[in-house]
Amino acid sequence: QKEVEQDPGPLSVPEGAIVSLNCTYSNSAFQYFMWYRQYSRKGPELLMYTYSSGNKEDGRFTAQVDKSSKYISLFIRDSQPSDSATYLCAMSGPNTGGFKTIFGAGTRLFVKA
Amino acid sequence: DSGVTQTPKHLITATGQRVTLRCSPRSGDLSVYWYQQSLDQGLQFLIHYYNGEERAKGNILERFSAQQFPDLHSELNLSSLELGDSALYFCASSPQSDTQYFGPGTRLTVL
Repeated sequence: QKEVEQDPGPLSVPEGAIVSLNCTYSNSAFQYFMWYRQYSRKGPELLMYTYSSGNKEDGRFTAQVDKSSKYISLFIRDSQPSDSATYLCAMSGPNTGGFKTIFGAGTRLFVKA
Repeated sequence: DSGVTQTPKHLITATGQRVTLRCSPRSGDLSVYWYQQSLDQGLQFLIHYYNGEERAKGNILERFSAQQFPDLHSELNLSSLELGDSALYFCASSPQSDTQYFGPGTRLTVL
């Protein structure tokens, strides 16, 4: 079983839709949870960062973490064609000798005008 | 712009050759990470350096090596290149152990 599971999609939605992206994980030691956006052939860009359980909102983006269910989500409201990209979840926590960060495989999102 | 720089942007070389990829982290970041991303694949963690010392290794081949210099820039050396090594190579830097900021990547093509 992979430590982080993320549906690769693709996910196709009409402009203005609410998008829900999710990841599940198995390592209860993870403490920090991130979402990255990656446009084709570009470096991943940090979108959201949360520590422990709860919600965090930034503009049209909301990140949710449910540590009891080992489940994290990213919601995009009023989706735009410019949101078309691959979204990667990432999580990190203490590991032998330091910290460990694991990335999901990424979900490819297409927002149609 | 994340503040992380990588050179070169593109690299085309032949099988069996050796190349060096360079990364400069964001000002003040002590951690540097290297990742490989093949076509339509996820990020594969290669190696992590913190303030000049190797901290963690991922699925890094023995033909690959890296180092972080006193000025904190890092180099990833790839030798005896094979066709399958063609990929995007990303460097990321981190102020702590949680968030990572990625550079624009180096696209390596092995012919």
